[in-house]
Amino acid sequence: NAGVTQTPKFRILKIGQSMTLQCAQDMNHNYMYWYRQDPGMGLKLIYYSVGAGITDKGEVPNGYNVSRSTTEDFPLRLELAAPSQTSVYFCASRPIAGELFFGEGSRLTVL
Amino acid sequence: DAKTTQPPSMDCAEGRAANLPCNHSTISGNEYVYWYRQIHSQGPQYIIHGLKNNETNEMASLIITEDRKSSTLILPHATLRDTAVYYCIVMNQGAQKLVFGQGTRLTINP
Repeated sequence: NAGVTQTPKFRILKIGQSMTLQCAQDMNHNYMYWYRQDPGMGLKLIYYSVGAGITDKGEVPNGYNVSRSTTEDFPLRLELAAPSQTSVYFCASRPIAGELFFGEGSRLTVL
Repeated sequence: DAKTTQPPSMDCAEGRAANLPCNHSTISGNEYVYWYRQIHSQGPQYIIHGLKNNETNEMASLIITEDRKSSTLILPHATLRDTAVYYCIVMNQGAQKLVFGQGTRLTINP
């Protein structure tokens, strides 16, 4: 049982480039989340989804887009990368009544 | 969902009990208290949760006050590997939007 899998683990982007962070879970969880964590800071919610086809903004959605075409996958798209998006990104999932399961994170640097 | 307040940092000696407090004075009747921890830069890990009764598992104990306005996570015999940031959040079971506070940075000293 793989749990929550994030790819890539590390990535360096140039300013203005775009990329997609992948997140997949194999636990058939309805809810999925994307958080970012800046150095020394707590987790900030970017976007979340309560099921396929349903997404909603979190605390810091600007500069990001998501989609949820299947229960398993919840990719996070960065358009026009900026240095302020340098961070560690965590994907998480949970069943409707249960705890969060986190991936190991994707470390992104924008230069 | 109710907001939580935690001290930004705490220290504890190895082998002693670590008691991490969390205030959630606006908690509503159907909201649970959940605790997670994040070791270094790894993904956060679930520890324990409870509604009103005290709970214990292999990792920790959770003590919730009778009025449910605060709780304490207890690591009974802290080890160096318990050094981490500990997050307390309150939510009902069907909660959709889950927001974390800053947590408590616990340092276990040898």
